[in-house]
Amino acid sequence: ETGVTQTPRHLVMGMTNKKSLKCEQHLGHNAMYWYKQSAKKPLELMFVYSLEERVENNSVPSRFSPECPNSSHLFLHLHTLQPEDSALYLCASSQKWTSAAENSPLHFGNGTRLTVT
Amino acid sequence: LAKTTQPISMDSYEGQEVNITCSHNNIATNDYITWYQQFPSQGPRFIIQGYKTKVTNEVASLFIPADRKSSTLSLPRVSLSDTAVYYCLVGVAFYNQGGKLIFGQGTELSVKP
Repeated sequence: ETGVTQTPRHLVMGMTNKKSLKCEQHLGHNAMYWYKQSAKKPLELMFVYSLEERVENNSVPSRFSPECPNSSHLFLHLHTLQPEDSALYLCASSQKWTSAAENSPLHFGNGTRLTVT
Repeated sequence: LAKTTQPISMDSYEGQEVNITCSHNNIATNDYITWYQQFPSQGPRFIIQGYKTKVTNEVASLFIPADRKSSTLSLPRVSLSDTAVYYCLVGVAFYNQGGKLIFGQGTELSVKP
């Protein structure tokens, strides 16, 4: 149990489908993140939310749309994806979106394995 | 920019001590050094974090020399279950690297019986 729960664990979708990934953290953290991990590649940061406000959008295509209704929940809405979007999508949280001279380790969920056909 | 360099892979045997070194020549004054462990199809798990000298917890030790240009993660008496990818990260999340916390390729540790 990591304190960060992601659902579903596996998802197969066609390129014309619309689906959503869900993340919930039970740690009382104020910042939440979406990362993408493709096969044999480093984790890529997609989005950051701090206190429900988006503070980072790392040049992610508009077919990925995040939503953070409160500090405990984070969604990633998917539509018209491409096969190259198949990857492990990881949600993480931290105590706060850090500033200089502070640090706050990331706590990750176990991810959603997405396959786009 | 505080880029990190670590070996791509390492092999070890059960019961041995494993030391993984990470180079971070451009580390900034406010940067912390953090190590994560990742098993296949799971999210990375925080192992240890330090700023200088030595830090120890129930899982590992982290050695940081005075110049802070490198760090060494030490895993005592590894077991098969320690087979994983280990990531070294340097920085204050979302303050360095144009506001991005960068994961490198990591070190793939293989522990053999």
